Amino acid sequence: SAVISQKPSRDICQRGTSLTIQCQVDSQVTMMFWYRQQPGQSLTLIATANQGSEATYESGFVIDKFPISRPNLTFSTLTVSNMSPEDSSIYLCSVEDTQGNTEAFFGQGTRLTVV
Amino acid sequence: GDSVTQMEGPVTLSEEAFLTINCTYTATGYPSLFWYVQYPGEGLQLLLKATKADDKGSNKGFEATYRKETTSFHLEKGSVQVSDSAVYFCALYSNYQLIWGAGTKLIIKP
Repeated sequence: SAVISQKPSRDICQRGTSLTIQCQVDSQVTMMFWYRQQPGQSLTLIATANQGSEATYESGFVIDKFPISRPNLTFSTLTVSNMSPEDSSIYLCSVEDTQGNTEAFFGQGTRLTVV
Repeated sequence: GDSVTQMEGPVTLSEEAFLTINCTYTATGYPSLFWYVQYPGEGLQLLLKATKADDKGSNKGFEATYRKETTSFHLEKGSVQVSDSAVYFCALYSNYQLIWGAGTKLIIKP
């Protein structure tokens, strides 16, 4: 299993500013995933972050808007840049079971409100 | 591409009622199937899973059976409690990532 600490748990931000979300895992993992969960909707994968390489972004998400860092095997950050009210959402960090069971573990999420 | 379809919510039940939340999938091969639960204000956590056809996943009184012939993985519980109120997500694992259903909000009234 994996325990994931994500912070901040919530924030209210002004439009045009940026917010960096941190994700810390209690064990080394190869891949970390960043999701967005818009109000009342399912999870949408933003990008996959591998240590030592650039993140892989899903269709509709770009690095300029959502830059990701992955400096080591236990930590990653997601920045939401130049925010607008449409970015109001829950952002979730996730890792997968290192023993190959494909179970995913999630942080508690960051609830972002852009005003 | 692969996809997951689950019944729309919210689903509102009285305590001790029988629960079914439908989930069907489209996938090549035989993916692993999952149910995740998200309690209010919390992140997602795995509820149960099944990795091959006819497997039954179970946890906390919930069950789901991997039905290859109907490509389904319906979630059931014989007697729900108020504490089961949450959002339930069906998912499958394909091409090294999870594919998610839209989620079903479950509301249990005392």
